[in-house]
Amino acid sequence: EAQVTQNPRYLITVTGKKLTVTCSQNMNHEYMSWYRQDPGLGLRQIYYSMNVEVTDKGDVPEGYKVSRKEKRNFPLILESPSPNQTSLYFCASSPYIGEPQHFGDGTRLSIL
Amino acid sequence: GQNIDQPTEMTATEGAIVQINCTYQTSGFNGLFWYQQHAGEAPTFLSYNVLDGLEEKGRFSSFLSRSKGYSYLLLKELQMKDSASYLCAAAGDSSYKLIFGSGTRLLVRP
Repeated sequence: EAQVTQNPRYLITVTGKKLTVTCSQNMNHEYMSWYRQDPGLGLRQIYYSMNVEVTDKGDVPEGYKVSRKEKRNFPLILESPSPNQTSLYFCASSPYIGEPQHFGDGTRLSIL
Repeated sequence: GQNIDQPTEMTATEGAIVQINCTYQTSGFNGLFWYQQHAGEAPTFLSYNVLDGLEEKGRFSSFLSRSKGYSYLLLKELQMKDSASYLCAAAGDSSYKLIFGSGTRLLVRP
């Protein structure tokens, strides 16, 4: 089944404790992206990747890192999480940007 | 700057037609997307417009006017399951970046 898989689905953690949210897609898509969704603000793009080893900042990259060492994986790293990063996070992929994106089921992060 | 505006909430009756509007301002333009998102779930793709005009897909249609920076999503024969948020998103100059609106929450009543 074609899918985007995020892990974990839920996480409660404390300020400053490094965490990684994994994202994997099995559709051989070139393009992958991370978003955060907050009430009243909609989806905001954090980082995106056009292909392996090619990443770029979205609109809200501060406090986040990504890597794209393999085509299928695009992890989101919070080196020193802070409470303002409490949010619902979505990973998405598409063959190219002009194509519809497939979204993962989301990761709800709570940073205390 | 880049911006997308859409109404926050709309209410409609089962069986009726509803139009959800979206206006956008982007640096350049490389297409407009509509997604549906049920509460607690991931967004799912509905439509994509890059040229002016109407694209029809079953009960859903989407319209684009590039000169006016305007799009709408038309939902016909509304069903209760259409109660969801509808997200408008535009690809600007850098077509790798998508800008999303805040979403329109649609409530369909019996």
